[in-house]
Parts: sequence; C-alpha cells; structure tokens
Amino acid sequence: KQEVTQIPAALSVPEGENLVLNCSFTDSAIYNLQWFRQDPGKGLTSLLLIQSSQREQTSGRLNASLDKSSGRSTLYIAASQPGDSATYLCAVREGGGADGLTFGKGTHLIIQP
Amino acid sequence: KAGVTQTPRYLIKTRGQQVTLSCSPISGHRSVSWYQQTPGQGLQFLFEYFSETQRNKGNFPGRFSGRQFSNSRSEMNVSTLELGDSALYLCASSPRGQAYEQYFGPGTRLTVT
Repeated sequence: KQEVTQIPAALSVPEGENLVLNCSFTDSAIYNLQWFRQDPGKGLTSLLLIQSSQREQTSGRLNASLDKSSGRSTLYIAASQPGDSATYLCAVREGGGADGLTFGKGTHLIIQP
Repeated sequence: KAGVTQTPRYLIKTRGQQVTLSCSPISGHRSVSWYQQTPGQGLQFLFEYFSETQRNKGNFPGRFSGRQFSNSRSEMNVSTLELGDSALYLCASSPRGQAYEQYFGPGTRLTVT
C-alpha cells in the first residue's frame, strides 16, 4: 500500500528565505505527483503537477522535482513571502492514472514578516 | 471560468441521520472525485465519477455513496451518520479523468453530534 510522508511537519522561516519541502513515497510505480497548498479552513489549490516521465516543473517562484527511482519529490520556494504561509500537501497517483490521489499529511509553513 | 463549487459549506447533523452533499465541477470537466479530510487520517480518497459512472472507489464502508448527473454535477450521500464521519469533504474536478490535474472546491464541513 502506497504511503506518502512529508518532512518536516512544520516549518517557520523569516521572509525572504529560500526553502525546500520534502515528500517521499514508498512505491515508485506512480503515474504522477501533485503539490497543493491549503489555507486554513479552505480547499486545496493546485501548485504543480509532475508526470512520472518528468523530472521537474516550475511555476513562478516554485520549482518541484521528482526522482521516481528513489521515491522522492521536493518543492522549492524561492524568496518566501508571508502570503506563502499555508499547509503544503504532496499527493501521488498510481494505477496507470485511474486510482485516487494518496496524500501526505502536509507541511505547515509559516513565513515570518 | 468559475471554480468548483460545493454546497452546503457547513452542515450539522445528528448520529443516525443521513446527509447529501453537492458538487458542481468546472464547466467542461467530466470527472469528479470526492475526498474526506480529518485531522487524524488526513485526506482520503472516497470515489471518482466520470460520465455518470463510478470509476474507482476508496476504502470506505457502503454507507458512503455517490452519483453523477448528465451535467457532471455530483452528489455524495452518507447514511446512518457516525461521530467519526465529522470531516471536511472535498470535491475535485478534472477535464478527462484522474490522471489530469485536479481542481478542488472549498469543501463542506460536516459536523455529526
């Protein structure tokens, strides 16, 4: 059974720093991996989707990498801002794309002004 | 383009009752998935509907059911509510299926007393 782990569970950094969030998964036979952010009491906002054949995706200050063989993904946030404060969730999809997403528990990120 | 909408946003029910939650996907999206989010278990996949057919189901009891209409709107039903069903229920839509990027709604907060 696929398990997704996110480290650290919580992170607090001063504004302006570059930071890395980690995600690991136990079964490397994934179809794709998606990063989301969730603000308190809200739904999920999709940040980046990486297909299994890709190594990385970029959107603005965000860069996500995928190393399928080692079962790892990282989300890099450049020049962090207070508005980046949220919970970041990593999710993988298996089963040739037919299965539901398996989520990690998330990293709760606080950017100090 | 309007996002995924879910109604109601908040709901309080009593043990033993049943509840129906509604999800309207992004216009043109034919796939709707449902997830349950709790503090203890995190986000868990319930089921996915595509063109009015359930394509996949997570590991939840038969009290959880759903359906999808011809206009792609979906409903989720939980019968004989238990205290443990208290959760944020999230709906996600995608253009053609699970393998594509998932767009989430704001969720319905269900409290069972």
